[in-house]
Amino acid sequence: DAKTTQPTSMDCAEGRAANLPCNHSTISGNEYVYWYRQIHSQGPQYIIHGLKNNETNEMASLIITEDRKSSTLILPHATLRDTAVYYCIVRVGETSGSRLTFGEGTQLTVNP
Amino acid sequence: GAVVSQHPSWVICKSGTSVKIECRSLDFQATTMFWYRQFPKQSLMLMATSNEGSKATYEQGVEKDKFLINHASLTLSTLTVTSAHPEDSSFYICSIWGGASIGYTFGSGTRLTVV
Repeated sequence: DAKTTQPTSMDCAEGRAANLPCNHSTISGNEYVYWYRQIHSQGPQYIIHGLKNNETNEMASLIITEDRKSSTLILPHATLRDTAVYYCIVRVGETSGSRLTFGEGTQLTVNP
Repeated sequence: GAVVSQHPSWVICKSGTSVKIECRSLDFQATTMFWYRQFPKQSLMLMATSNEGSKATYEQGVEKDKFLINHASLTLSTLTVTSAHPEDSSFYICSIWGGASIGYTFGSGTRLTVV
């Protein structure tokens, strides 16, 4: 699976949009971009995933650049409960149950 | 999505004893489950992939005789930490693959402290 690079930490004001970047310059054509988050002392939670088109769900939006070498996760109106470590993962096959490996992620802190 | 229950949520044990952690898929028959370990302020590290009815596949550097994994049914996988030592103290998390529509679902984790 392709390697990803994320900033170690970010801060965001409550109510504002949080934009979390991820670089995956070695991504190949059949690899998807997944985002998970982990709130302290809990298991990771799925947020969103995409291949090349932008995606939106009730939690977030995922913007993938045209060359697919980077993406941005957008939390439109961050709340204190969005404080967590956010992981960007690139892996093969939306239908494959292959192993999922985590990088270091971005610690997002939402401030009042 | 699928619901994954992990038990216990925390456990304290003495050095040299064994501890079993259960991971249950409550509403989905999971042929594949994964076990992770997470040390403080670090990311999740994949330990092994567990397939129902067959031997688990361990990641490089993970001792299969120390971390025994059993996946005897489609809804239950267990991780047994044998002869636990303080350095085994960690947060252990399981995950299931629920297919394309569900993806990966994680348990809430087990905090193991070996004293």
